[in-house]
Amino acid sequence: AQSVTQPDIHITVSEGASLELRCNYSYGATPYLFWYVQSPGQGLQLLLKYFSGDTLVQGIKGFEAEFKRSQSSFNLRKPSVHWSDAAEYFCAVGAFNTNAGKSTFGDGTTLTVKP
Amino acid sequence: DAGVTQSPTHLIKTRGQQVTLRCSPISGHKSVSWYQQVLGQGPQFIFQYYEKEERGRGNFPDRFSARQFPNYSSELNVNALLLGDSALYLCASRPSQGGHNEQFFGPGTRLTVL
Repeated sequence: AQSVTQPDIHITVSEGASLELRCNYSYGATPYLFWYVQSPGQGLQLLLKYFSGDTLVQGIKGFEAEFKRSQSSFNLRKPSVHWSDAAEYFCAVGAFNTNAGKSTFGDGTTLTVKP
Repeated sequence: DAGVTQSPTHLIKTRGQQVTLRCSPISGHKSVSWYQQVLGQGPQFIFQYYEKEERGRGNFPDRFSARQFPNYSSELNVNALLLGDSALYLCASRPSQGGHNEQFFGPGTRLTVL
């Protein structure tokens, strides 16, 4: 069965500091990995995705993530956090076959940005 | 182009009642998935529909059902509501059933069961 673990429930960083959000996954085949952001009361916005190729992927809003197969990890990073980045972040794993509409999500990491 | 739309935005029901949530996918998208997001947790997969047929079902009781219409819009029905059904219900659409296309999520319907 596929699963996603986000070890950090809550992270606080100062504005301008760097950020890394951790994600570990379990999946039986080649994973299709995603990071989403959710502002309070809103739906999910895709930040970036990885299926194959370069293991360092660039996303929107200055985010990037690195896929490490040996560690089953897909950590999200940003070199300099802005106050507007405060939100909840979800890592997800999915398929690209007939089950592509089914993704398994972690329980999220809440990011607080200090001024 | 409009994104995924969902209605209503908010809904309050009492235990034992039934509820219907609606979703309109992005134009041209034929696959719709439903997720339940309980407060403090990540979304959990409920159903996937493609070309009006159920293509996947998560670990939810039979009180949950859904359907997809010829215009690819979808409804999620929940019968005999329980307090634990209180959640944000998210709809997501994709162009097709498989492939590398990501899902696009709607803003959700917030269901409160009293």
